[in-house]
Amino acid sequence: DIQMTQSPSSLSASVGDRVTITCRASQSISNSLNWYQQKPGKAPKLLIYGASNLQSGIPSRFSGSESGTDFTLTITSLQPEDFASYYCQQSHSIPLTFGGGTKVEIK
Amino acid sequence: QVQLQESGPGLVKPSETLSLTCAVSGFSISSGYFWGWIRQPPGKGLEWIGTIYQTGTTYYNPSLKSRVTTSVDASKNQFSLRLSSVTAADTAVYYCARLRLRLGELSDFDIWGQGTMVTVSS
Repeated sequence: DIQMTQSPSSLSASVGDRVTITCRASQSISNSLNWYQQKPGKAPKLLIYGASNLQSGIPSRFSGSESGTDFTLTITSLQPEDFASYYCQQSHSIPLTFGGGTKVEIK
Repeated sequence: QVQLQESGPGLVKPSETLSLTCAVSGFSISSGYFWGWIRQPPGKGLEWIGTIYQTGTTYYNPSLKSRVTTSVDASKNQFSLRLSSVTAADTAVYYCARLRLRLGELSDFDIWGQGTMVTVSS
């Protein structure tokens, strides 16, 4: 199985901050990496697919990038509605696997 | 507007079989997408359970494969999950979701149901 390691597991930030979350794959997954946002009691919501493609309807302050087996989700100017948990997911091979999550909290 | 809605018992006894259905509206389940199940134990992360195509082609998480069965009922525009021999470790919120293909390969879950909490307890 491909292991997805997310860091940090949690972070505190203020409105307007630039936030970066990293996901590292245990082996090469090409650009088969997706990012989701999840708010308490709600289903995950797709933000980024194929490492860097913004899902329709998602604000442009969200972006994704890749460097080898390291993938990054960046929020350029954190908004109040962005406080949530974020998960990466690889689709390179079965079983599909998720990272452990990053909780973004208000400082 | 595409919507998915899970349904099924919220309480299942240990050793019994968990059965859930996902009703799809606003989109035909036979329109060339895969459909999947994902679960999330309380306070924990997401775990992919399995995925099915309209033709019946399935992919399962090896960690659950011996206990999982999925099926599609195109006439009702819904798909289902059965998980046998459940234990307390199967207590989780269960989500159904649409799984897109990208460049012919499985990709992302773009539409999710709201989730349903299933507790395994006697």
